[in-house]
Amino acid sequence: NAGVTQTPKFRVLKTGQSMTLLCAQDMNHEYMYWYRQDPGMGLRLIHYSVGEGTTAKGEVPDGYNVSRLKKQNFLLGLESAAPSQTSVYFCASRSPRINSSPLHFGNGTRLTVT
Amino acid sequence: KNEVEQSPQNLTAQEGEFITINCSYSVGISALHWLQQHPGGGIVSLFMLSSGKKKHGRLIATINIQEKHSSLHITASHPRDSAVYICAVFGNEKLTFGTGTRLTIIP
Repeated sequence: NAGVTQTPKFRVLKTGQSMTLLCAQDMNHEYMYWYRQDPGMGLRLIHYSVGEGTTAKGEVPDGYNVSRLKKQNFLLGLESAAPSQTSVYFCASRSPRINSSPLHFGNGTRLTVT
Repeated sequence: KNEVEQSPQNLTAQEGEFITINCSYSVGISALHWLQQHPGGGIVSLFMLSSGKKKHGRLIATINIQEKHSSLHITASHPRDSAVYICAVFGNEKLTFGTGTRLTIIP
């Protein structure tokens, strides 16, 4: 099993450019999450999904869109990148079975917007 | 006030010392996670707790649901334990994270 795979690992964008971050998991997990991690702050939830075809806003959703067309994939899109979106992005997944499912994280995507 | 508070924010200790990291939360939860993040690295799940205590090697995690508090203990600390330890609580289908405790173990 590969677990949770994020692509790309690194990316540099110019202000106004767009891109899509891909998160793929092979554990048949229902729940998937996108977080951003900034210095001095905890991981902040951008968007999440509790199943195929469903998405919901998290704590900091502005400037991002997501899609969950297939259960194994959760895409994070930046339509018009801004320097404030420079961050490390983590995807995570888990089973909805509370007592038996740890979190699984991808290795992160380091995004710089100039 | 953050929903999840960790203390201390930074901790430096000598190799072999007993380490305690604390996590307090203010929301109703169904589970609490302890995570480890090495510099420049990914995030690894250490424990998931909904009650009581769990032990894995030199790591012990406890939770007191009534007091909304959890602790992560490391016995016989080693330089390879140096990392950021993050507490996260799961409630209302979402995870909320603490800001992490940066642990440095000096040989």
